[in-house]
Amino acid sequence: AQSVAQPEDQVNVAEGNPLTVKCTYSVSGNPYLFWYVQYPNRGLQFLLKYITGDNLVKGSYGFEAEFNKSQTSFHLKKPSALVSDSALYFCAVRDPGYSTLTFGKGTMLLVSP
Amino acid sequence: GAGVSQTPSNKVTEKGKYVELRCDPISGHTALYWYRQSLGQGPEFLIYFQGTGAADDSGLPNDRFFAVRPEGSVSTLKIQRTERGDSAVYLCASSLTAGQGGEAFFGQGTRLTVV
Repeated sequence: AQSVAQPEDQVNVAEGNPLTVKCTYSVSGNPYLFWYVQYPNRGLQFLLKYITGDNLVKGSYGFEAEFNKSQTSFHLKKPSALVSDSALYFCAVRDPGYSTLTFGKGTMLLVSP
Repeated sequence: GAGVSQTPSNKVTEKGKYVELRCDPISGHTALYWYRQSLGQGPEFLIYFQGTGAADDSGLPNDRFFAVRPEGSVSTLKIQRTERGDSAVYLCASSLTAGQGGEAFFGQGTRLTVV
């Protein structure tokens, strides 16, 4: 079985400050990990993924995420938040033995001016 | 098309009625997924197609839900005898293949409201 936990329902950060959105996962094998963002009344947009290789992956809109196998985490980060980053963020995992993604419940990011 | 297209964008139906939700994936994508997203929750897997066949339908909640993809492209999610608890946003996604770590691309969803 595969599962994802996003421990924070909401993260608040001031514009210009660094942001972190947390994600931990559980899979039986080596994971494929993804971050998606959802704006109001929009579908999910792919941000970045970790498949193999460098533990630090970079994605769209200046976001990055660090894969930590020992802590089974894949936290999303950005050095300097923008108000336009305010949205709902989902972490997802797929065990290579499966063909489907399992999503966390989402974290609302609110960036204040 | 450029992205995954879902129609209708909104559907209001009466309890007990039958509904069909359509998904048009990205051209050339062989893998197609249906998810359901309830308010305040992450998307929950319903069914996955590889080509024309349903490779995994373990997420379908009961036998009122059914999906087809007869020509390996467009898919239709069918819900019989709708219930108020079926109200949710139904998301469709496609990917080039199911393996190799390829990301899935999502449509904007169909918001189903059962009254």
